[in-house]
Amino acid sequence: DVKVTQSSRYLVKRTGEKVFLECVQDMDHENMFWYRQDPGLGLRLIYFSYDVKMKEKGDIPEGYSVSREKKERFSLILESASTNQTSMYLCASSGGLAGLGVDTDTQYFGPGTRLTVL
Amino acid sequence: SQKIEQNSEALNIQEGKTATLTCNYTNYSPAYLQWYRQDPGRGPVFLLLIRENEKEKRKERLKVTFDTTLKQSLFHITASQPADSATYLCALGGYNKLIFGAGTRLAVHP
Repeated sequence: DVKVTQSSRYLVKRTGEKVFLECVQDMDHENMFWYRQDPGLGLRLIYFSYDVKMKEKGDIPEGYSVSREKKERFSLILESASTNQTSMYLCASSGGLAGLGVDTDTQYFGPGTRLTVL
Repeated sequence: SQKIEQNSEALNIQEGKTATLTCNYTNYSPAYLQWYRQDPGRGPVFLLLIRENEKEKRKERLKVTFDTTLKQSLFHITASQPADSATYLCALGGYNKLIFGAGTRLAVHP
């Protein structure tokens, strides 16, 4: 089974702090994603990466950056946390070898990190 | 810009009945559409994928339809059970990424 893990389930930080959220997947997936989820707004894509050292902006990249130094790890960085970044953060991965019965379009999610910025 | 609409109000049904959830979209022509289930405090879990050239897909008690003319997908759970209570998200797919709806909460009562 695919496993996507996130470094923390709950995190409390202060305004202005630098925050690192880590995500690791064990299925050798090419694509990795960071979303935030807020009530009534659904999942909104922050950044995604389709290869090591590659990154693409999603719909709401402002205030965030990402790093993908290794294929299995995708980090989300809040350079200077603000209260409006209080949210649930979800990491996902997709990919695999097409033609081997793997649906490469399915995204597998981690358990989420609930971040509170005070 | 793309817009996805799912019923924001919770759907309450009796155990054993069929639950039907709706996903409408505008300004987009997705290559495929997916449905996910999300339990409180957890990440979404993939359920079904239907491609633009498919009208219907089934998996056990689940059925998804996809009407690209109406720009609508319907998600059915037959013989619903209290364990089916969760939030269900639809997502439009293409270009290696997904656009998610806000989800509809389903509550199945014994």
